[in-house]
Amino acid sequence: LAKTTQPISMDSYEGQEVNITCSHNNIATNDYITWYQQFPSQGPRFIIQGYKTKVTNEVASLFIPADRKSSTLSLPRVSLSDTAVYYCLVGDGTNAGKSTFGDGTTLTVKP
Amino acid sequence: GAVVSQHPSRVICKSGTSVKIECRSLDFQATTMFWYRQFPKQSLMLMATSNEGSKATYEQGVEKDKFLINHASLTLSTLTVTSAHPEDSSFYICSAKKAIQGSKNIQYFGAGTRLSVL
Repeated sequence: LAKTTQPISMDSYEGQEVNITCSHNNIATNDYITWYQQFPSQGPRFIIQGYKTKVTNEVASLFIPADRKSSTLSLPRVSLSDTAVYYCLVGDGTNAGKSTFGDGTTLTVKP
Repeated sequence: GAVVSQHPSRVICKSGTSVKIECRSLDFQATTMFWYRQFPKQSLMLMATSNEGSKATYEQGVEKDKFLINHASLTLSTLTVTSAHPEDSSFYICSAKKAIQGSKNIQYFGAGTRLSVL
């Protein structure tokens, strides 16, 4: 399973754009990159998934360079309610579709 | 949508008793479900992979006789913590994998179960 590395924590202010980068140097050809958000005492919530280039949905964008060894989750105009832990997962190419959670990035949005 | 229901949300039990946690995919069929454990301020740790109609696959270090997993249907998996002890107190989270055309399977998570063993 590909190992992921993210910054442990990030601070931002309301209304700013936040970019969280994840490194996954050992990503396999069949692996997708998926990002989740987790609030305290809740299960993770799916944010976005991509394979290459750029993916955008109603809440975030995901940028993946050509070598796919990293990815960047972009949250536009964050609010206080975006304070959470964000996890990047790489997997589903093998190992029955399981993925390993890394340490995640704790994002704190300040007023 | 993709909704996964996990029940109960919180359980407090005495040491030595067994606790069953249910995980249901409400609006899709899940051939594969996963069970995780999370300690305070730590990441999720995969315990086992549950496949419908077959035995679960446990991660290294997870006792299969301690954590019994049953995946009897395409929408239900259960985790039973047998003879629970205080060190089993943790946050248990399940997920169900949903196949979406044009992408790899996405895991959808339950809300988690807070287990406290006295």
